[in-house]
Amino acid sequence: KAGVTQTPRYLIKTRGQQVTLSCSPISGHRSVSWYQQTPGQGLQFLFEYFSETQRNKGNFPGRFSGRQFSNSRSEMNVSTLELGDSALYLCASSLEGAREKLFFGSGTQLSVL
Amino acid sequence: QKEVEQNSGPLSVPEGAIASLNCTYSDRGSQSFFWYRQYSGKSPELIMSIYSNGDKEDGRFTAQLNKASQYVSLLIRDSQPSDSATYLCAVNSWGSQGNLIFGKGTKLSVKP
Repeated sequence: KAGVTQTPRYLIKTRGQQVTLSCSPISGHRSVSWYQQTPGQGLQFLFEYFSETQRNKGNFPGRFSGRQFSNSRSEMNVSTLELGDSALYLCASSLEGAREKLFFGSGTQLSVL
Repeated sequence: QKEVEQNSGPLSVPEGAIASLNCTYSDRGSQSFFWYRQYSGKSPELIMSIYSNGDKEDGRFTAQLNKASQYVSLLIRDSQPSDSATYLCAVNSWGSQGNLIFGKGTKLSVKP
């Protein structure tokens, strides 16, 4: 069974640009969560999607948005990038009956210059 | 804001020793507790879950839970260099912090 797939693996952007990250969950997993990981803050929750609906949202500004498609694939978008957005962005999928058992993708390392 | 606290380490133990990783949490209503392992440059992976007070053993790993003290621990027996990683404690939550609140992790180094 294929794991969670995230693309791209690395991204370099400049301030003010926008970026879109993609996540394909494990087959059969309909819940997709996004996290930001930085050395100082650890893992911070961005949002969770289930059946194309945002089910939960963390305390991030509106520049961070996401969506989920009918095949459970998810994208997150960050507009007007800031230097502080440099981080590892992790996507995780889970079964509906075990939403706390997260399976993480390899992440997208975003660098904002 | 609910919190999960861990010592950042690094925790250094010799090969073959017992590594003890600790975690405290603030929400007395938490019911589910997890340990994730994250190798350098890799993503977190779930290694243990525990839901009731006491010990849960899985191979060389033992998770311990004390809800009265709001304390979770992970013991790694016969530590191996391959256990060197950052261990993240996570506690269930339902709110703006997501389904799981993660601690910042304890970095473990097992010396040959």
